[in-house]
Amino acid sequence: DAGVTQSPTHLIKTRGQQVTLRCSPKSGHDTVSWYQQALGQGPQFIFQYYEEEERQRGNFPDRFSGHQFPNYSSELNVNALLLGDSALYLCASSLQGTGNTIYFGEGSWLTVV
Amino acid sequence: SQQGEEDPQALSIQEGENATMNCSYKTSINNLQWYRQNSGRGLVHLILIRSNEREKHSGRLRVTLDTSKKSRSLLITASRAADTASYFCATVTTSGTYKYIFGTGTRLKVLA
Repeated sequence: DAGVTQSPTHLIKTRGQQVTLRCSPKSGHDTVSWYQQALGQGPQFIFQYYEEEERQRGNFPDRFSGHQFPNYSSELNVNALLLGDSALYLCASSLQGTGNTIYFGEGSWLTVV
Repeated sequence: SQQGEEDPQALSIQEGENATMNCSYKTSINNLQWYRQNSGRGLVHLILIRSNEREKHSGRLRVTLDTSKKSRSLLITASRAADTASYFCATVTTSGTYKYIFGTGTRLKVLA
């Protein structure tokens, strides 16, 4: 049973560029959430997708957008990259509903130079 | 701020000792989850305790509730070097939302 998988694992981008990160949820899960984790901090909620729609969003600018596909996989897009966007981006999947356990992938390390 | 706070921020113990970490929030805590993160890796789910539970066990892990302090603690018994990691608590602080709020983490180092 595959867990949550993310790609790429590491990438380096230049300020102003755009990046797309990908996530496949754990088998049987229909809900995907994205988190940003800066070095030495706890993860910060970006948004959650369910039934191909953004269901809830954290305190992130519109430069952060996402998508969920019919097979429940998801993408996170970040436009006009800033140095401060350098972080570990974590995808988490769960069954829909509140209070369910969320399972994380290994993350994508983004470095903006 | 809704962010949870774990204390201590860092903890160093000898192998075989017990490690206790506390997680507190300014608001009421709903279901609480604990995660472990090895350096630079993803978060591994350890244990979920629901708001109506006072204590829960899973192997060498024990989670307890202190309602007066709005906190819950994670106890790791008979620690091993492999337990060295950062530990985070996470909760949904507003009923009916899907946004998990994570604490700042406790960095545990178990010395062999």
